[in-house]
Amino acid sequence: EAGVAQSPRYKIIEKRQSVAFWCNPISGHATLYWYQQILGQGPKLLIQFQNNGVVDDSQLPKDRFSAERLKGVDSTLKIQPAKLEDSAVYLCASSLGRDFSYNEQFFGPGTRLTVL
Amino acid sequence: EDQVTQSPEALRLQEGESSSLNCSYTVSGLRGLFWYRQDPGKGPEFLFTLYSAGEEKEKERLKATLTKKESFLHITAPKPEDSATYLCAVQRTGGFKTIFGAGTRLFVKA
Repeated sequence: EAGVAQSPRYKIIEKRQSVAFWCNPISGHATLYWYQQILGQGPKLLIQFQNNGVVDDSQLPKDRFSAERLKGVDSTLKIQPAKLEDSAVYLCASSLGRDFSYNEQFFGPGTRLTVL
Repeated sequence: EDQVTQSPEALRLQEGESSSLNCSYTVSGLRGLFWYRQDPGKGPEFLFTLYSAGEEKEKERLKATLTKKESFLHITAPKPEDSATYLCAVQRTGGFKTIFGAGTRLFVKA
């Protein structure tokens, strides 16, 4: 079974530039998550999709971050404009469903973003 | 406010030296607690889910236990390949957000 795919793996940009990350979840997984992991910290949930609807985006900085999940499969996360404090690893994860019994999350390798 | 605190921040063990990692949590109602392992440069890998106080789960040298306020990850006779960051996360009732702790970095020396 193929895992969660993410691209790019690394990205370096100047502050105030824009950047986009792509995620392809495990086939058949209804729930998709985007996390931000700053060095030395645990992952922080940014947004959670159930199919192509948003179920939680309470910690997404909506003035600069946006995300979409097209046709309930692939997802993109965008930052516009980037700030220095956005330097982090952005992790995508998926799970079978929103119900707790299917809540084991499978993570991709992450995208390491450096903002200069 | 929901909170997950892990201790110690880092732990150095000799191969074969058993120990425990702690995860204390504060949530309005616990739906479940997760343990993940994270290797450098990789995403977290699922280990266990615990649902209620008194529950225990085992996998190879790892055993996770749960009380009403904390969880322990016991590592018996660790090997160098057990070196990683171990993350604890909780999900509360009435919501679907998963809240992670900062993790414990485990180093096992041969």
